[in-house]
Amino acid sequence: GAGVSQSPRYKVAKRGQDVALRCDPISGHVSLFWYQQALGQGPEFLTYFQNEAQLDKSGLPSDRFFAERPEGSVSTLKIQRTQQEDSAVYLCASSLGAGGLTEAFFGQGTRLTVV
Amino acid sequence: AQRVTQPEKLLSVFKGAPVELKCNYSYSGSPELFWYVQYSRQRLQLLLRHISRESIKGFTADLNKGETSFHLKKPFAQEEDSAMYYCALITGGGNKLTFGTGTQLKVEL
Repeated sequence: GAGVSQSPRYKVAKRGQDVALRCDPISGHVSLFWYQQALGQGPEFLTYFQNEAQLDKSGLPSDRFFAERPEGSVSTLKIQRTQQEDSAVYLCASSLGAGGLTEAFFGQGTRLTVV
Repeated sequence: AQRVTQPEKLLSVFKGAPVELKCNYSYSGSPELFWYVQYSRQRLQLLLRHISRESIKGFTADLNKGETSFHLKKPFAQEEDSAMYYCALITGGGNKLTFGTGTQLKVEL
């Protein structure tokens, strides 16, 4: 593909509903990152994968948030029992090398609105 | 804890005027700093990184460890420079970017 692809682009969820956000990274990219961007703020780190291994999940705000990348390619960010404070744009990024020192390519994001 | 501060939410300049987008950081380790840009209706993309010491689209940024700053500069603003600019610091053993809150640059004719 041409770049990092995220789906859906927009998601409206009722409070308490579970949601799943998908990220297709650039083929062959080792590293995958998830960020959360609230309105008027910069992106905030959620979690990092190197291939299928989740090496850092220190940014996940609660145990309602779960991310996986089972085959080292596509990743899914799942949010259980959504709350209004989960409303944000969720960004996925991938990079060729391990870690963040190589250029990170971002997807267009999924805008989640919890009503 | 690491932090990136961009004091200006909005910066408005006239075309042809110099631009300086401010960025200050706090980090106890050796910093690696980046500027990312988001043009209207486009995705966030890397503009430049301090380690490369490069000039991209006429923009440069110098790391000043004494002042803990990484300001982005361009001598003559162009209309196409209008965008959201984020300063970012790599931390966590190189696995995560810590972003500032961003500065919206508006270049007026």
